[in-house]
Amino acid sequence: QKEVEQNSGPLSVPEGAIASLNCTYSDRGSQSFFWYRQYSGKSPELIMSIYSNGDKEDGRFTAQLNKASQYVSLLIRDSQPSDSATYLCAVNGNQFYFGTGTSLTVIP
Amino acid sequence: EAQVTQNPRYLITVTGKKLTVTCSQNMNHEYMSWYRQDPGLGLRQIYYSMNVEVTDKGDVPEGYKVSRKEKRNFPLILESPSPNQTSLYFCASSSRRGGAWDTNYEQYFGPGTRLTVT
Repeated sequence: QKEVEQNSGPLSVPEGAIASLNCTYSDRGSQSFFWYRQYSGKSPELIMSIYSNGDKEDGRFTAQLNKASQYVSLLIRDSQPSDSATYLCAVNGNQFYFGTGTSLTVIP
Repeated sequence: EAQVTQNPRYLITVTGKKLTVTCSQNMNHEYMSWYRQDPGLGLRQIYYSMNVEVTDKGDVPEGYKVSRKEKRNFPLILESPSPNQTSLYFCASSSRRGGAWDTNYEQYFGPGTRLTVT
């Protein structure tokens, strides 16, 4: 079982829609959770971090964490073509573990 | 400008020829880490360092060495590269938040080094 699992996609949404990205993790002791965006050929860019249960909003992005279900998600509201990228979920327990990423395409 | 730099950005080498990939950060971060990224496998941690002279193995340390003699630098050494080490390598650094030593690391990544071993 992988430490962090994400749907690989690809996920396609029309411009202006809500994109929903999901991630589950196996280590119940994990304390920190992150979402990174990675454009093709570029390095991962931190877009959200969340440390406690509930929702955290930053602009068009909302991260949701449910430690009991070992589940973290990212919602992107009013999706834009520039949001087209691979989104990586990362979890910090004893080590950092990344999911394999979900590819998102926003269709104009 | 706050950044993590890596050199070289691209490297083609032959099996067995020792190489070093440098990583440097100017943010006074305590934590630094190396990852490799392969298609279908995602980012996997090779080694990490909590501070100067403190390093530890990540998920895939075999065939790699690191050192942390200065806070800003964290070189990755491949003593005898093999073709299965062909990959995209990222260095990352972070500070710790909230006063806790083992939580809340928000990592910032360098631009990557694409290594090909023939």
